[in-house]
Amino acid sequence: LAKTTQPISMDSYEGQEVNITCSHNNIATNDYITWYQQFPSQGPRFIIQGYKTKVTNEVASLFIPADRKSSTLSLPRVSLSDTAVYYCLVGDMGGRRALTFGSGTRLQVQP
Amino acid sequence: DTAVSQTPKYLVTQMGNDKSIKCEQNLGHDTMYWYKQDSKKFLKIMFSYNNKELIINETVPNRFSPKSPDKAHLNLHINSLELGDSAVYFCASSQVQGRQPQHFGDGTRLSIL
Repeated sequence: LAKTTQPISMDSYEGQEVNITCSHNNIATNDYITWYQQFPSQGPRFIIQGYKTKVTNEVASLFIPADRKSSTLSLPRVSLSDTAVYYCLVGDMGGRRALTFGSGTRLQVQP
Repeated sequence: DTAVSQTPKYLVTQMGNDKSIKCEQNLGHDTMYWYKQDSKKFLKIMFSYNNKELIINETVPNRFSPKSPDKAHLNLHINSLELGDSAVYFCASSQVQGRQPQHFGDGTRLSIL
Protein backbone atom coordinates (compact mmCIF):
# COMPACT_ATOMS: atom_id res chain seq x y z
CA LEU A 1 0.00 0.00 0.00
CA ALA A 2 1.51 3.30 -1.09
CA LYS A 3 1.89 5.57 1.92
CA THR A 4 1.60 9.30 1.43
CA THR A 5 3.33 12.11 3.30
CA GLN A 6 2.14 15.70 3.25
CA PRO A 7 2.94 18.81 5.26
CA ILE A 8 0.67 19.11 8.26
CA SER A 9 -0.23 22.72 7.60
CA MET A 10 0.39 25.67 5.29
CA ASP A 11 -0.46 29.35 5.42
CA SER A 12 -1.12 31.65 2.52
CA TYR A 13 -2.73 34.96 1.61
CA GLU A 14 -5.56 35.69 -0.72
CA GLY A 15 -4.53 35.92 -4.34
CA GLN A 16 -1.40 33.82 -3.96
CA GLU A 17 -0.67 30.54 -5.66
CA VAL A 18 -0.42 27.62 -3.27
CA ASN A 19 1.51 24.44 -3.98
CA ILE A 20 1.01 21.41 -1.75
CA THR A 21 3.39 18.51 -2.28
CA CYS A 22 2.69 14.89 -1.46
CA SER A 23 5.36 12.19 -1.28
CA HIS A 24 4.51 8.63 -2.27
CA ASN A 25 7.84 6.87 -2.68
CA ASN A 26 6.48 3.36 -3.07
CA ILE A 27 3.77 4.15 -5.58
CA ALA A 28 2.94 1.13 -7.74
CA THR A 29 2.59 0.98 -11.50
CA ASN A 30 -1.18 0.73 -11.34
CA ASP A 31 -1.60 3.52 -8.80
CA TYR A 32 -3.03 6.87 -9.70
CA ILE A 33 -3.01 10.02 -7.60
CA THR A 34 -6.10 11.85 -6.40
CA TRP A 35 -6.58 14.96 -4.31
CA TYR A 36 -9.54 15.78 -2.15
CA GLN A 37 -10.61 18.90 -0.25
CA GLN A 38 -12.47 18.77 3.04
CA PHE A 39 -14.26 21.60 4.86
CA PRO A 40 -15.26 21.30 8.52
CA SER A 41 -18.37 19.18 9.06
CA GLN A 42 -18.41 18.04 5.45
CA GLY A 43 -17.21 15.00 3.56
CA PRO A 44 -14.15 15.17 1.30
CA ARG A 45 -14.73 16.55 -2.15
CA PHE A 46 -12.83 15.44 -5.25
CA ILE A 47 -10.49 18.06 -6.72
CA ILE A 48 -8.28 16.42 -9.32
CA GLN A 49 -6.75 13.12 -10.39
CA GLY A 50 -3.77 12.14 -12.47
CA TYR A 51 -1.37 9.37 -13.41
CA LYS A 52 1.63 11.22 -14.84
CA THR A 53 2.83 14.61 -16.13
CA LYS A 54 0.34 17.43 -15.68
CA VAL A 55 -3.41 17.59 -15.30
CA THR A 56 -5.41 20.81 -15.13
CA ASN A 57 -9.05 21.50 -14.48
CA GLU A 58 -11.08 24.56 -13.60
CA VAL A 59 -9.96 24.63 -9.97
CA ALA A 60 -6.45 23.21 -9.79
CA SER A 61 -3.43 21.70 -11.49
CA LEU A 62 -1.65 18.50 -10.61
CA PHE A 63 2.03 18.08 -11.41
CA ILE A 64 3.53 14.60 -11.36
CA PRO A 65 7.24 14.10 -12.16
CA ALA A 66 8.45 11.24 -14.31
CA ASP A 67 9.35 9.00 -11.35
CA ARG A 68 5.86 9.55 -9.85
CA LYS A 69 7.29 9.45 -6.33
CA SER A 70 5.66 12.76 -5.51
CA SER A 71 2.94 15.04 -6.77
CA THR A 72 2.10 18.71 -6.32
CA LEU A 73 -1.36 20.19 -6.12
CA SER A 74 -1.35 23.78 -7.33
CA LEU A 75 -4.18 26.15 -6.41
CA PRO A 76 -4.01 29.41 -8.36
CA ARG A 77 -4.98 32.66 -6.66
CA VAL A 78 -6.47 31.22 -3.48
CA SER A 79 -9.33 32.89 -1.66
CA LEU A 80 -10.54 32.66 1.92
CA SER A 81 -12.96 29.93 0.87
CA ASP A 82 -10.04 27.68 -0.04
CA THR A 83 -9.24 27.30 3.66
CA ALA A 84 -9.65 23.56 4.14
CA VAL A 85 -7.81 20.28 4.60
CA TYR A 86 -6.33 18.79 1.42
CA TYR A 87 -5.74 15.06 1.13
CA CYS A 88 -3.47 13.24 -1.26
CA LEU A 89 -4.60 9.72 -2.04
CA VAL A 90 -2.80 7.00 -3.95
CA GLY A 91 -4.82 4.01 -5.10
CA ASP A 92 -4.69 1.18 -7.56
CA MET A 93 -7.00 1.12 -10.53
CA GLY A 94 -8.39 -2.26 -9.55
CA GLY A 95 -9.60 -0.81 -6.29
CA ARG A 96 -9.13 -3.97 -4.29
CA ARG A 97 -6.58 -2.56 -1.90
CA ALA A 98 -7.70 -0.48 1.03
CA LEU A 99 -7.30 3.26 0.81
CA THR A 100 -6.15 5.53 3.59
CA PHE A 101 -6.30 9.27 3.18
CA GLY A 102 -3.72 10.17 5.79
CA SER A 103 -3.92 13.28 7.93
CA GLY A 104 -3.91 15.79 5.07
CA THR A 105 -2.59 19.35 4.83
CA ARG A 106 -4.49 22.07 6.61
CA LEU A 107 -4.39 25.19 4.42
CA GLN A 108 -5.19 28.49 6.11
CA VAL A 109 -5.76 31.43 3.77
CA GLN A 110 -5.46 34.87 5.34
CA PRO A 111 -6.99 38.09 3.99
CA ASP B 1 -30.63 16.97 -4.63
CA THR B 2 -28.22 15.38 -2.17
CA ALA B 3 -26.05 12.81 -3.93
CA VAL B 4 -24.95 10.83 -0.87
CA SER B 5 -27.03 11.25 2.26
CA GLN B 6 -26.39 9.87 5.72
CA THR B 7 -28.64 9.76 8.74
CA PRO B 8 -28.39 10.70 11.48
CA LYS B 9 -25.91 13.58 11.35
CA TYR B 10 -25.21 13.29 15.06
CA LEU B 11 -25.51 10.23 17.26
CA VAL B 12 -24.91 10.34 20.99
CA THR B 13 -25.34 7.11 22.88
CA GLN B 14 -24.17 5.07 25.82
CA MET B 15 -21.43 2.48 25.80
CA GLY B 16 -22.78 -1.00 25.15
CA ASN B 17 -25.70 0.11 23.00
CA ASP B 18 -26.39 -0.98 19.42
CA LYS B 19 -26.88 1.66 16.75
CA SER B 20 -27.23 2.00 12.99
CA ILE B 21 -26.23 4.64 10.49
CA LYS B 22 -28.03 4.76 7.16
CA CYS B 23 -26.60 5.79 3.82
CA GLU B 24 -28.24 6.29 0.47
CA GLN B 25 -26.86 7.45 -2.87
CA ASN B 26 -28.91 8.63 -5.82
CA LEU B 27 -26.05 8.70 -8.32
CA GLY B 28 -26.64 5.24 -9.73
CA HIS B 29 -23.16 4.17 -8.59
CA ASP B 30 -22.22 0.53 -8.26
CA THR B 31 -19.87 0.88 -5.30
CA MET B 32 -20.37 2.23 -1.81
CA TYR B 33 -17.94 2.68 1.06
CA TRP B 34 -17.78 3.37 4.76
CA TYR B 35 -14.89 5.40 6.19
CA LYS B 36 -13.98 6.30 9.75
CA GLN B 37 -12.33 9.64 10.55
CA ASP B 38 -10.71 9.82 13.94
CA SER B 39 -9.83 12.84 16.05
CA LYS B 40 -6.51 13.25 14.22
CA LYS B 41 -8.41 13.53 10.95
CA PHE B 42 -7.09 10.27 9.51
CA LEU B 43 -9.73 8.98 7.11
CA LYS B 44 -9.58 5.21 6.81
CA ILE B 45 -11.70 2.89 4.78
CA MET B 46 -13.71 0.30 6.67
CA PHE B 47 -15.80 -1.44 4.02
CA SER B 48 -16.41 -1.39 0.32
CA TYR B 49 -19.43 -2.92 -1.39
CA ASN B 50 -19.84 -3.40 -5.11
CA ASN B 51 -23.35 -4.26 -6.29
CA LYS B 52 -24.22 -5.52 -2.81
CA GLU B 53 -21.08 -7.69 -2.67
CA LEU B 54 -18.49 -7.07 0.04
CA ILE B 55 -15.17 -6.19 -1.62
CA ILE B 56 -13.02 -4.64 1.10
CA ASN B 57 -13.28 -5.39 4.79
CA GLU B 58 -10.42 -3.77 6.59
CA THR B 59 -9.41 -4.79 10.09
CA VAL B 60 -12.69 -3.71 11.57
CA PRO B 61 -14.10 -5.45 14.66
CA ASN B 62 -16.96 -7.77 13.85
CA ARG B 63 -19.16 -5.55 15.99
CA PHE B 64 -19.42 -3.49 12.83
CA SER B 65 -21.67 -5.05 10.23
CA PRO B 66 -22.48 -3.36 6.94
CA LYS B 67 -25.75 -4.21 5.26
CA SER B 68 -26.59 -3.45 1.65
CA PRO B 69 -30.25 -4.12 0.79
CA ASP B 70 -29.66 -2.76 -2.71
CA LYS B 71 -26.85 -0.99 -4.49
CA ALA B 72 -28.19 2.44 -3.55
CA HIS B 73 -28.03 1.76 0.17
CA LEU B 74 -25.25 0.76 2.53
CA ASN B 75 -26.11 0.87 6.19
CA LEU B 76 -23.69 0.42 9.06
CA HIS B 77 -24.79 -1.40 12.18
CA ILE B 78 -22.63 -1.30 15.28
CA ASN B 79 -23.12 -3.63 18.23
CA SER B 80 -21.91 -3.13 21.79
CA LEU B 81 -20.55 0.34 21.22
CA GLU B 82 -17.23 1.20 22.87
CA LEU B 83 -15.61 4.51 23.74
CA GLY B 84 -13.09 4.05 20.93
CA ASP B 85 -15.88 3.99 18.39
CA SER B 86 -16.34 7.73 18.83
CA ALA B 87 -15.49 9.27 15.46
CA VAL B 88 -17.04 10.70 12.33
CA TYR B 89 -18.25 8.04 9.91
CA PHE B 90 -18.47 8.86 6.23
CA CYS B 91 -20.35 7.03 3.55
CA ALA B 92 -19.18 7.38 -0.04
CA SER B 93 -19.93 6.01 -3.47
CA SER B 94 -18.16 5.71 -6.81
CA GLN B 95 -19.27 4.64 -10.24
CA VAL B 96 -16.79 1.79 -10.39
CA GLN B 97 -15.04 -0.12 -7.63
CA GLY B 98 -11.91 1.71 -6.54
CA ARG B 99 -12.20 4.42 -9.14
CA GLN B 100 -12.22 8.10 -8.32
CA PRO B 101 -13.95 10.33 -7.80
CA GLN B 102 -15.70 9.12 -4.73
CA HIS B 103 -18.68 11.15 -3.61
CA PHE B 104 -18.95 11.53 0.14
CA GLY B 105 -21.81 12.20 2.47
CA ASP B 106 -21.44 14.86 5.15
CA GLY B 107 -20.69 12.35 7.87
CA THR B 108 -22.24 11.07 11.06
CA ARG B 109 -20.60 12.19 14.26
CA LEU B 110 -20.85 9.34 16.75
CA SER B 111 -20.18 10.15 20.40
CA ILE B 112 -20.07 7.43 23.02
CA LEU B 113 -20.73 8.45 26.59
